[in-house]
Amino acid sequence: EDKVVQSPLSLVVHEGDTVTLNCSYEVTNFRSLLWYKQEKKAPTFLFMLTSSGIEKKSGRLSSILDKKELFSILNITATQTGDSAIYLCAAFQGAQKLVFGQGTRLTINP
Amino acid sequence: DVKVTQSSRYLVKRTGEKVFLECVQDMDHENMFWYRQDPGLGLRLIYFSYDVKMKEKGDIPEGYSVSREKKERFSLILESASTNQTSMYLCASSPTARTDTQYFGPGTRLTVL
Repeated sequence: EDKVVQSPLSLVVHEGDTVTLNCSYEVTNFRSLLWYKQEKKAPTFLFMLTSSGIEKKSGRLSSILDKKELFSILNITATQTGDSAIYLCAAFQGAQKLVFGQGTRLTINP
Repeated sequence: DVKVTQSSRYLVKRTGEKVFLECVQDMDHENMFWYRQDPGLGLRLIYFSYDVKMKEKGDIPEGYSVSREKKERFSLILESASTNQTSMYLCASSPTARTDTQYFGPGTRLTVL
């Protein structure tokens, strides 16, 4: 059975801290790994990763994929209160659908 | 910018009612998806569609049906709503079957009493 597991499920840190969110996956005919950020409404796309070891970066956010160990991490440095959100990880598999993890609820306290 | 809209942000229905959730995208995307999102379970795929009048079951299709009569519109139907269908419903679209990235609507929070 295809599955994506995120950890931790919930994380509370102080502004300025660095956080690492984890995502492991087991899906049939894996094609890519996607990260989304969800605030109060629609999830918004952050990254898509298809190759191992190549870091993708956008401002204070970065992500990397390890296709041998079947996991990805999302790093956020110098966190701000606006980073508070649910972060979703999803694996795109051979039947052309996304399999989502449970999400990590990140709270940044001032 | 891709825009995916959903007909209602909040909806309250009674057990046994027929419920229609509408989703419209304005970017001529081929693929459309319906998910439900529950705490601790993440997003789970209900149904998806690759073309007009085509539909495929996702992981949790029981109790739901869908309709796609026009390319831009994908409807989710609860034939007889039950309390365990209280959830956040998210619609998404993507340009083609070769595109991994999906674009989401704002969601409809459905409460079934």
